[in-house]
Amino acid sequence: KNEVEQSPQNLTAQEGEFITINCSYSVGISALHWLQQHPGGGIVSLFMLSSGKKKHGRLIATINIQEKHSSLHITASHPRDSAVYICAVGSPGSARQLTFGSGTQLTVLP
Amino acid sequence: DADVTQTPRNRITKTGKRIMLECSQTKGHDRMYWYRQDPGLGLRLIYYSFDVKDINKGEISDGYSVSRQAQAKFSLSLESAIPNQTALYFCATSDPTGAYGYTFGSGTRLTVV
Repeated sequence: KNEVEQSPQNLTAQEGEFITINCSYSVGISALHWLQQHPGGGIVSLFMLSSGKKKHGRLIATINIQEKHSSLHITASHPRDSAVYICAVGSPGSARQLTFGSGTQLTVLP
Repeated sequence: DADVTQTPRNRITKTGKRIMLECSQTKGHDRMYWYRQDPGLGLRLIYYSFDVKDINKGEISDGYSVSRQAQAKFSLSLESAIPNQTALYFCATSDPTGAYGYTFGSGTRLTVV
């Protein structure tokens, strides 16, 4: 079993829809990261969180430490949100190595 | 200029050739990483360095070597490239406190034929 599981693997939505991507993990963590990878390949960090909720524009990330679960929400989705969204967890301690999920391919249709 | 710059962006090389992927950063971070991404798999750690004199193997270091020439530069070498090293390679940096997350380069797409 992978330490970081994302669902769904693929998601197609219509422009304007509310989108949720889920991430479950099985290990202790120092923090959880949400990353965005565009078709050109580059990876951008969206959020790093260790508790509660963070919001940036139309993106919202939540984490429940007790349930070892995080969600990434996109409100009022737009075709430019089409990308791969990757969940990664950092190991506890000073090393803080990242373990990555396999990503969720999101396609938002106009 | 990008905070983390990888060169080359794309490379096709032949089996058995030695190839070096380069990474430089302007973040001033001590920690640097090399990851590999294969279709359908999460990124996997090849090597990481916490400072110029501290280099460590990751989960898939076989067939790779690294050099930390300076705080800002971290190179990945494939001593004798093989086709199953065809992948997308990413360099990343982070600060020791972990407070500021990770910064990734744009990736190097390597094809070994």
